[in-house]
Amino acid sequence: DAGVIQSPRHEVTEMGQEVTLRCKPISGHNSLFWYRQTMMRGLELLIYFNNNVPIDDSGMPEDRFSAKMPNASFSTLKIQPSEPRDSAVYFCASTPRTANTYGYTFGSGTRLTVV
Amino acid sequence: GQSLEQPSEVTAVEGAIVQINCTYQTSGFYGLSWYQQHDGGAPTFLSYNALDGLEETGRFSSFLSRSDSYGYLLLQELQMKDSASYFCAVGAAGNKLTFGGGTRVLVKP
Repeated sequence: DAGVIQSPRHEVTEMGQEVTLRCKPISGHNSLFWYRQTMMRGLELLIYFNNNVPIDDSGMPEDRFSAKMPNASFSTLKIQPSEPRDSAVYFCASTPRTANTYGYTFGSGTRLTVV
Repeated sequence: GQSLEQPSEVTAVEGAIVQINCTYQTSGFYGLSWYQQHDGGAPTFLSYNALDGLEETGRFSSFLSRSDSYGYLLLQELQMKDSASYFCAVGAAGNKLTFGGGTRVLVKP
């Protein structure tokens, strides 16, 4: 089991550029979550999917952020245009839909720096 | 909405016992989870309490009181490798988790 795989690990981009973060959940896990972590705001839930369907995107900060899950093994989080305040570590996590232990498996994260 | 409160930092020596408290206000509460995160790493799942009482997993135990909206994580026989941040998180419908601000535990020799 390779775990939750995120790419890239690090991303440095200029303000105004488009950024795409990628996530491959664990096979068989049908709940997928995108979190953002900063010192000021901690771990914030941005959006989550059940069976590839977005369930709650109330945490997405603004229209510059969008997320998709075209199939059970792939999800993207896109920021366009990016701004310096988007600098953070972005985590993807997955869990089996039927699990009632709230035991997420997190990916290693993408550290995004917008300059 | 949900809100969780936990101490920002705790310092202890090797071999000691540390208790990290977590109080929460939430609607639609399903349970309380705990996660560990080392600097530069990803959060990793430690435990989950759906019912009142104590759950023990090796050196770590977690407790929940639903009536008091309170839980704690107990770290026993502290080791240097336990230096990390610990997060409580409230579970809601759809497997959704809301995390507290985290408690940084520093273990000294």
